[in-house]
Amino acid sequence: EDQVTQSPEALRLQEGESSSLNCSYTVSGLRGLFWYRQDPGKGPEFLFTLYSAGEEKEKERLKATLTKKESFLHITAPKPEDSATYLCASGSNDYKLSFGAGTTVTVRA
Amino acid sequence: GAGVSQTPSNKVTEKGKYVELRCDPISGHTALYWYRQSLGQGPEFLIYFQGTGAADDSGLPNDRFFAVRPEGSVSTLKIQRTERGDSAVYLCASSLLSEEFFGPGTRLTVL
Repeated sequence: EDQVTQSPEALRLQEGESSSLNCSYTVSGLRGLFWYRQDPGKGPEFLFTLYSAGEEKEKERLKATLTKKESFLHITAPKPEDSATYLCASGSNDYKLSFGAGTTVTVRA
Repeated sequence: GAGVSQTPSNKVTEKGKYVELRCDPISGHTALYWYRQSLGQGPEFLIYFQGTGAADDSGLPNDRFFAVRPEGSVSTLKIQRTERGDSAVYLCASSLLSEEFFGPGTRLTVL
């Protein structure tokens, strides 16, 4: 069974204080590793898909990287508007996404 | 430039009642998914449609849950004899390729 574990559960950062979120996964036949952002009361918002180990993708202050067992979401010089829950999901060949519980990031001004 | 829409945004019902939750996917997206999200957890897969047919319903928790997509666009998730444990946010997503795009969800509360 596919499993995704995210750490830490919560992260409190000062504005400008860079950090990384971890996503560990086990999946039979990785179709893609997905990152989403979720704001309170909203649905998940798509950020990145990573397909193979060594791949990296960037968007503004966010960079996602992938190894064979983990993915990291690096937040560089975060701003208060980066406060959200970040969800990681593995996609296997059966088209389902298996989500982790998320990391809730709070950035203080 | 419509994204995925879901109605109602909130639904409060009593234990034992029947509810229907609606999802309008992004136009042209052939795949549609339903997920359920409990507080503090990530979304949990329920069912996946490719076109009109349910390609995978392995995530439906029991036979009180049923979903349809009769014309390959709008989908309805139906829950019979609701229980307090069904309270959660029900999310719908659609996709054309691999990325799934989510709607805002329906918050279901069973009293």
